[in-house]
Amino acid sequence: DTEVTQTPKHLVMGMTNKKSLKCEQHMGHRAMYWYKQKAKKPPELMFVYSYEKLSINESVPSRFSPECPNSSLLNLHLHALQPEDSALYLCASIGTGGYTFGSGTRLTVV
Amino acid sequence: GQNIDQPTEMTATEGAIVQINCTYQTSGFNGLFWYQQHAGEAPTFLSYNVLDGLEEKGRFSSFLSRSKGYSYLLLKELQMKDSASYLCAVSELTGGGNKLTFGTGTQLKVEL
Repeated sequence: DTEVTQTPKHLVMGMTNKKSLKCEQHMGHRAMYWYKQKAKKPPELMFVYSYEKLSINESVPSRFSPECPNSSLLNLHLHALQPEDSALYLCASIGTGGYTFGSGTRLTVV
Repeated sequence: GQNIDQPTEMTATEGAIVQINCTYQTSGFNGLFWYQQHAGEAPTFLSYNVLDGLEEKGRFSSFLSRSKGYSYLLLKELQMKDSASYLCAVSELTGGGNKLTFGTGTQLKVEL
């Protein structure tokens, strides 16, 4: 398995909803990443987990809460989001072959 | 922090060659990546350079000069499907581990 799998592919949520994005990899990679990408902009790093511990938080608002339950899974819990949080959320992991990206979750906050 | 600069847009003709430049400033340099991204899709890995020189992979080649903080992506025999955004990304080793930062991206348009 050489993929990073993200679910769901699309998500529409209200500003009062709580939802979670899921990312999974079975390549034995020990570092996993969340990126946010707005239209016509490059991906921006949000969080890095290294060996299941949060190692980098790029000053992300607390309405985004990451979680790494085990070495294969990375979640992003969402609560009280704003319409400007609508974006493509990308998960990635890193191994000896470099960074592997998932196909992303397209999030729309209404 | 990092500064990673690329041209915003480029236009080229089908069958031609195009070179997309990227300049960067960083500490803890740990490699430079090029990705292709079509609208609405995730980035797709194209190439990786960690040592100076040219890496060739089919129609795509990438060059790195660490002393100059400079890289380019060379696309040969352009096809219409090569119209996409091309992202230069620099990996940096920090106290928190490897960190990949993207440049602003170059939107390439291939015309007939």
